[in-house]
Amino acid sequence: QVQLVQSRAEVKSPGASVQISCMTSGFTFNFYTLTWVRQAPGQSLEWMGWINADNGNTKYAEKFQGRVTITRDTSATTTYMDLSGLTSEDTAVYYCARQGNYGEFGYWGQGTLVTVSS
Amino acid sequence: SYVLTQPPSVSVAPGKTAMITCGGNNIETKTVHWYQQKPGQAPVLVIYYDNERPSGIPERFSGSKSGDTATLTISRVEAGDEADYYCQLWDSHSDHFYVFGTGTKVTVL
Repeated sequence: QVQLVQSRAEVKSPGASVQISCMTSGFTFNFYTLTWVRQAPGQSLEWMGWINADNGNTKYAEKFQGRVTITRDTSATTTYMDLSGLTSEDTAVYYCARQGNYGEFGYWGQGTLVTVSS
Repeated sequence: SYVLTQPPSVSVAPGKTAMITCGGNNIETKTVHWYQQKPGQAPVLVIYYDNERPSGIPERFSGSKSGDTATLTISRVEAGDEADYYCQLWDSHSDHFYVFGTGTKVTVL
């Protein structure tokens, strides 16, 4: 079955960077686009960007341009999301998800809580 | 930036019908998806491509859209349907148009 398993929770200081991994299984990795979405406490969901697992092309939300980098390792069927210049406003649960043919996110990782605190 | 507005909360008695709206400019020209999220869990896709149900989602869940509004309808509501629900828009003509609604808390009385 399709699975997306994310790395564990992180606590970071302001100004630091964080990397979250999302290990996938149960499907042909190169056939899909993988996306990252975050959710601040008590807030809605927010799309951050995607990566085409086949060619590595990426697209980022304007809000995160210059601070986010999404990469993938095809041999490990894993995608990574790096976010730099962390502030308290980046405290959130970060999710990876597999995108379907109509822009829907049909499969999600379990989420990774990132807490930014001094 | 594009804003998708949902009512903050909807209350419904068991066995009745819940309707959750999602309002935004020219929604009819976009593709709409709906997610259910229970506390401490990742979202679950319940409707995609406006009105399609993923495998395993009960027929009680349906979607529609017209003009500037999309609607998720939950028929014969059960206690297990209590959750937050989010709409999401996708524009097939853009490679970066992914917008989520503000979210609606559905309470089963």
